[in-house]
Amino acid sequence: ETGVTQSPTHLIKTRGQQVTLRCSSQSGHNTVSWYQQALGQGPQFIFQYYREEENGRGNFPPRFSGLQFPNYSSELNVNALELDDSALYLCASSWTGVGTDTQYFGPGTRLTVL
Amino acid sequence: AQKVTQAQTEISVVEKEDVTLDCVYETRDTTYYLFWYKQPPSGELVFLIRRNSFDEQNEISGRYSWNFQKSTSSFNFTITASQVVDSAVYFCALSESFGNEKLTFGTGTRLTIIP
Repeated sequence: ETGVTQSPTHLIKTRGQQVTLRCSSQSGHNTVSWYQQALGQGPQFIFQYYREEENGRGNFPPRFSGLQFPNYSSELNVNALELDDSALYLCASSWTGVGTDTQYFGPGTRLTVL
Repeated sequence: AQKVTQAQTEISVVEKEDVTLDCVYETRDTTYYLFWYKQPPSGELVFLIRRNSFDEQNEISGRYSWNFQKSTSSFNFTITASQVVDSAVYFCALSESFGNEKLTFGTGTRLTIIP
């Protein structure tokens, strides 16, 4: 196991609602990245947080937003949920600095939007 | 723009056979990193290997080996003497710069090992 944890494991929401997903990074890591994985597809990069600031963003609308806290944990918020937001959301933690490290993934949160 | 292509959608082999998963990438950067991840049914992506663009040496780790060829922009993954536990979806990914930034994934190859 990587030491990256995510909550909740599963979530069901209805269209138009808002959702918050949480991620605790591996000990010693200071960077968190979020990915969306639709069924049968590869993960798509949403954004990355480093030192509590967004450090790169993929092709996702502004209703996808995030936070990183001083302990390096992170939240992903999605407003005005759409049916296409149904996916597995993966969080990855890594070290940015001398000897930059690989991204290690958590178990994911499966979001279903009805 | 970066792109990773895994042309093999699904592969099935009988246990103990060798199997190679193909990965072809596109990037304009001269410095980049290539990765392989394994995704078992549980959903968690398990890191297997990271290789930077300046290191073309092939690597072997137990039953796993990787063949990196810059000339053909390929980073193929071979499992020798496959086992049922190798059944999973395997993703190849590319990252520019330091290898810690945005990962661009392929669409994955679903590998099924038949007992």
